[in-house]
Amino acid sequence: QVQLVESGGGVVQPGGSLRLSCAASGFSFSNYDMHWVRQAPGKGLEWVAYIQYDESNKYYADSVKGRFTISRDNSKTSLYLQMNSLRVEDTAVYYCTKADYWGQGTMVTVSS
Amino acid sequence: QSVLTQPPSASGTAGQRVTISCSGSSSNIGTNTLNWYQHFPGTAPKLLINSNNQRPSGVPDRFSGSKSGTSVSLAISGLQSEDEADYYCAAWDDSLNAWVFGGGTKLTVL
Repeated sequence: QVQLVESGGGVVQPGGSLRLSCAASGFSFSNYDMHWVRQAPGKGLEWVAYIQYDESNKYYADSVKGRFTISRDNSKTSLYLQMNSLRVEDTAVYYCTKADYWGQGTMVTVSS
Repeated sequence: QSVLTQPPSASGTAGQRVTISCSGSSSNIGTNTLNWYQHFPGTAPKLLINSNNQRPSGVPDRFSGSKSGTSVSLAISGLQSEDEADYYCAAWDDSLNAWVFGGGTKLTVL
């Protein structure tokens, strides 16, 4: 069965960095486009970033452009999100998703 | 302000039929497939409807989708207490090169 397991969340100070990982299994990871989506406390779902199956295209929400980088390693069936220059407003649960399946999410808290 | 527009709330009594609307534009709903998700806080969102009106395996046929131009609707018939959740629509936007979401609709079963 399809499994997406996020890790790497935690508490970080404003201006800091975190790298999220998403371990995928149960499907041909290298054939699927992937996304990161987040949900801030009390808010709705917000798309963060997209990567095409072969990394040929990457797109970002304006709110994270220039600060976040999405990548993948198809040999390790893993998706990543490098988050730099973190802001308080980046506090959220971060989900990795192939659109039809979602992980359980990992919490990122940006606070001084 | 979300690119896709949903009502913030909806409600119905057990057994009733409720609909949740999602309005977009030619660059998203008008061009690309739309997904509906059910989300219980603290859990992984679940795909309810894809390609506008197709249900993944395991989703009850009480859930159905429809599309008219740049608007779509999710209908839930025979409302049950366990349907109380947040519902989101989402579609790729060709102009923004972004996956855009509605603001979410909180469904209450009275």
